[in-house]
Amino acid sequence: RKEVEQDPGPFNVPEGATVAFNCTYSNSASQSFFWYRQDCRKEPKLLMSVYSSGNEDGRFTAQLNRASQYISLLIRDSKLSDSATYLCVAPNQAGTALIFGKGTTLSVSS
Amino acid sequence: NAGVTQTPKFQVLKTGQSMTLQCAQDMNHEYMSWYRQDPGMGLRLIHYSVGAGITDQGEVPNGYNVSRSTTEDFPLRLLSAAPSQTSVYFCASSVNSNQPQHFGDGTRLSIL
Repeated sequence: RKEVEQDPGPFNVPEGATVAFNCTYSNSASQSFFWYRQDCRKEPKLLMSVYSSGNEDGRFTAQLNRASQYISLLIRDSKLSDSATYLCVAPNQAGTALIFGKGTTLSVSS
Repeated sequence: NAGVTQTPKFQVLKTGQSMTLQCAQDMNHEYMSWYRQDPGMGLRLIHYSVGAGITDQGEVPNGYNVSRSTTEDFPLRLLSAAPSQTSVYFCASSVNSNQPQHFGDGTRLSIL
């Protein structure tokens, strides 16, 4: 099992839609997870941190399922400006470094 | 507060040349890391450091060396550049590996 795996995408949704991405991780002892947003050829920027069961920030909700070892990102009422690549981050198997998933591309259209 | 600074922003090398990508942070972060990003591959961890004097290999360390003589600086060295190392390189730092990372703007490297 890869250390961090994400839905491959792309996800193409209309404005106002709700969309969810999943990410699985291999280190069952992991305590901290992150979702980053990356716009084309730019540096990744932190979207949300997840340290317990979940986190909510406006239209964005991240949930953690420890039993199944996955985290999800839910985006409600999608905006055109949400179009980007969303990257899941989790600790490596040794718990010493942070590993990125390959990313899920979201395209929101009018 | 500059955050994470990477230099250069762009570089073109010939096969076999050596080069050092610079990364500096002014946030007194212990954890620093280098990633490369290729189309469709996400960010892959090259090397990381949990503090001055301590470095370790990530997912794709071959062809790269690092050192961490100070808390602030974490340079990445390409000893003999190869076309397969053409990529965008990102440096990041955080308080520790359980905290979110701050990224530099990236270095776009082409090797001919």
